Amino acid sequence: QITLKESGPTVVKPTQTLTLTCTFSGFSISTSGVGVGWIRQPPRGALEWLAVIYWDDDKRFSPSLKTRLTITKDTSKNQVVLTMTNMDPMDTATYFCAHKLWGLGGRSHFDFWGPGTLVTVSS
Amino acid sequence: DIQMTQSPSTLSAFVGDRVTITCRASQDISHWLAWYQQKPGKAPQVLIYKAATLESGVPSRFSGRRSGTEFTLTIASLQPEDFATYYCQQYYIYSSFGQGTKLEIK
Repeated sequence: QITLKESGPTVVKPTQTLTLTCTFSGFSISTSGVGVGWIRQPPRGALEWLAVIYWDDDKRFSPSLKTRLTITKDTSKNQVVLTMTNMDPMDTATYFCAHKLWGLGGRSHFDFWGPGTLVTVSS
Repeated sequence: DIQMTQSPSTLSAFVGDRVTITCRASQDISHWLAWYQQKPGKAPQVLIYKAATLESGVPSRFSGRRSGTEFTLTIASLQPEDFATYYCQQYYIYSSFGQGTKLEIK
């Protein structure tokens, strides 16, 4: 049974760096084809894909946020960490992490999601 | 970036209606498209992937179709639990989502 859960601060100040942790169970991120991604959703807004890291440490980032994002994995702890620098009130959103598994063709959707964590950017 | 244009943004319908939501990609994404359902305060749940493959456990009243760069999600006979917001997602190059369609009870 695959589960994921996001954790981190609920409030950050403008210009600060946000660090979010996704802790998961039911799979290993060292398994071939596995990836963990981050997606966010502003209040009453749409989903926005942020980043993904794969079992082989390959990383992909949203082109519009690439300069602000870092993603790492800790296989022994079953965790993936996302950092976002220079936070702004416009970054206020619920942040989700999610699992994906490559199939034929080397691409995949997000099949399991965490419940999300709301981050508010305010001074 | 690949832009996903989803329509309509809001849809009002009755229980039992057949409804269709459309998503258009700004370039060819082959069949690398998924549909998600999201209820208030919850994470999205995948309904369909690879444009037309039903996720395990999803009722057969949901179906997906591709025609070039246009994709549709159809719900054959709306049930009360289907009133939610629906998103499309391309995963051909990186990933991007549509703006969502809120399905409301008429």
